Amino acid sequence: SAVISQKPSRDICQRGTSLTIQCQVDSQVTMMFWYRQQPGQSLTLIATANQGSEATYESGFVIDKFPISRPNLTFSTLTVSNMSPEDSSIYLCSVRQDANTGELFFGEGSRLTVL
Amino acid sequence: EDQVTQSPEALRLQEGESSSLNCSYTVSGLRGLFWYRQDPGKGPEFLFTLYSAGEEKEKERLKATLTKKESFLHITAPKPEDSATYLCAVQANSETSYDKVIFGPGTSLSVIP
Repeated sequence: SAVISQKPSRDICQRGTSLTIQCQVDSQVTMMFWYRQQPGQSLTLIATANQGSEATYESGFVIDKFPISRPNLTFSTLTVSNMSPEDSSIYLCSVRQDANTGELFFGEGSRLTVL
Repeated sequence: EDQVTQSPEALRLQEGESSSLNCSYTVSGLRGLFWYRQDPGKGPEFLFTLYSAGEEKEKERLKATLTKKESFLHITAPKPEDSATYLCAVQANSETSYDKVIFGPGTSLSVIP
């Protein structure tokens, strides 16, 4: 399976600031996704990162708050903008290596705490 | 609306005490059902994919089964290292949910020596 690296692994941020999370994959993948996991809860899909076009956002998530870049088939970034304490979560990058299956592989996650 | 629920929310077992975790789903059409294991502070680790009712998959002490409405993850003679949160997820076969994988809330398993 693909090796997925995320940076930073954790950070403490001030209210009102923005933070960009990077996701690097060791092989080319067609589909990349960003998930959020709030404390004690399961995973919620934020958006699908599309290479060469705008990301596709799920209901409740907007581009102004969570801008995503996908410059090539191995890299993506997620920015959490104008952060508030409610944005404190683990943010997870995931990839689908085989377009014919739904199996996802995840990075280790980026744990953000907003004060 | 596509939905995934899991029970119990938490399960505490003695080492060697076999049990099952349940995943119930409501989707318009199932493309696949997935089980993941998540250790604290880590991303989910893929375990199994099931595609159709009656299918079974095994890996060490874990066996996953699928019916038309639910899936079970059977844990036989668990060991403390099996302690983790087990997540169930489904991929729906519908135009409005294309490629989307929906996760359940998870079952937190603790195996006591």
